[in-house]
Amino acid sequence: QQQVKQSPQSLIVQKGGISIINCAYENTAFDYFPWYQQFPGKGPALLIAIRPDVSEKKEGRFTISFNKSAKQFSLHIMDSQPGDSATYFCAATSTGTASKLTFGTGTRLQVTL
Amino acid sequence: DGGITQSPKYLFRKEGQNVTLSCEQNLNHDAMYWYRQDPGQGLRLIYYSQIVNDFQKGDIAEGYSVSREKKESFPLTVTSAQKNPTAFYLCASSNLRGGTGNQPQHFGDGTRLSIL
Repeated sequence: QQQVKQSPQSLIVQKGGISIINCAYENTAFDYFPWYQQFPGKGPALLIAIRPDVSEKKEGRFTISFNKSAKQFSLHIMDSQPGDSATYFCAATSTGTASKLTFGTGTRLQVTL
Repeated sequence: DGGITQSPKYLFRKEGQNVTLSCEQNLNHDAMYWYRQDPGQGLRLIYYSQIVNDFQKGDIAEGYSVSREKKESFPLTVTSAQKNPTAFYLCASSNLRGGTGNQPQHFGDGTRLSIL
């Protein structure tokens, strides 16, 4: 089964700190790795995504680091804010699969004051 | 506003009853998807459709059925055969034009289904 393993399950970070969420995958055919942010009672929203031809992508306070040889990728949230408190999902898909996403199990992030 | 509309927001099902969840998109996306989300778990794919009048089973299709008669609409029916239907159901769509397969999915705000 194609899996994406995500850790930690939950994370508490102080305001201004760095939040780090890790994911690992098995299927070497995966070639697109998005991260989604979900608030309670809402659908997930695309946050940032990366393709395996780059090792890092940054958008504002959010950075994806990608290690193709280790089959791992991570989300870093710099200067974490209380408004970042949400559940974060990593996902993966491969070309030719109708963009079917395989999701990690999610990380509930709480940013405290 | 372009987006995905799911209705109703909350739905209750009686034993032995079929219920249908609505999903409409005005993004002109080719593909649509249905996911199930359970507490502490990721999203699991139920069905997906790349084109009108065609759809494929996902990882957990048993007890569910879909139709795709219009590009904009992809309703999901939870049948009485689904013995554990209580979950948060999410509909998504994406643009497959160009055939890259690597297009982001856009999600609706979900329907929460509970058993009476």
